[in-house]
Amino acid sequence: DTAVSQTPKYLVTQMGNDKSIKCEQNLGHDTMYWYKQDSKKFLKIMFSYNNKELIINETVPNRFSPKSPDKAHLNLHINSLELGDSAVYFCASSQVRRGHDYGYTFGSGTRLTVV
Amino acid sequence: KQEVTQIPAALSVPEGENLVLNCSFTDSAIYNLQWFRQDPGKGLTSLLLIQSSQREQTSGRLNASLDKSSGRSTLYIAASQPGDSATYLCAVETGRRALTFGSGTRLQVQP
Repeated sequence: DTAVSQTPKYLVTQMGNDKSIKCEQNLGHDTMYWYKQDSKKFLKIMFSYNNKELIINETVPNRFSPKSPDKAHLNLHINSLELGDSAVYFCASSQVRRGHDYGYTFGSGTRLTVV
Repeated sequence: KQEVTQIPAALSVPEGENLVLNCSFTDSAIYNLQWFRQDPGKGLTSLLLIQSSQREQTSGRLNASLDKSSGRSTLYIAASQPGDSATYLCAVETGRRALTFGSGTRLQVQP
């Protein structure tokens, strides 16, 4: 299946821990993103990478560190987790090729609960 | 700073009704506008993508229009079905490659 897949789907962890969320896309897209959906269901951009290069860092605390080992992967590492980090994190990818915009494809989300 | 507003926040209709969801944005310099559907506890499913040069897109019972100059888009759903119940999200892409989302319209279609 062509898709954006992220793991794990659910993550429950204690305050102060360090955790990672992985994302992979097999769509051949050149840009990947992390979005955060808060408790009020509002979606907001965190990071974007184009061909492994950081393009957007949207005033996210530096406890959050994205890592793109290659064009198809964008992982999110979070240090010293806080209660306020509890949210659903979505990975997405997009592509513009020869002037045609293919739009965005989202993963199914990772529900992070910090206790 | 781009802001996206969706009205109404929630909508409940009987099955079979035609309905319109509204989206407005403050900065008309957009690259495209995309409508998504989100089911409870699930990810986002792309419904329609309208490029800035286009006026509308259609897919099945869905039709989305874009009036860039007035900063508005509508999503028209014909002959609604209970399976259409979900949250519908409008998002615009501006100069940087990122989407700005509205807060969504929660749709409930009663059988």
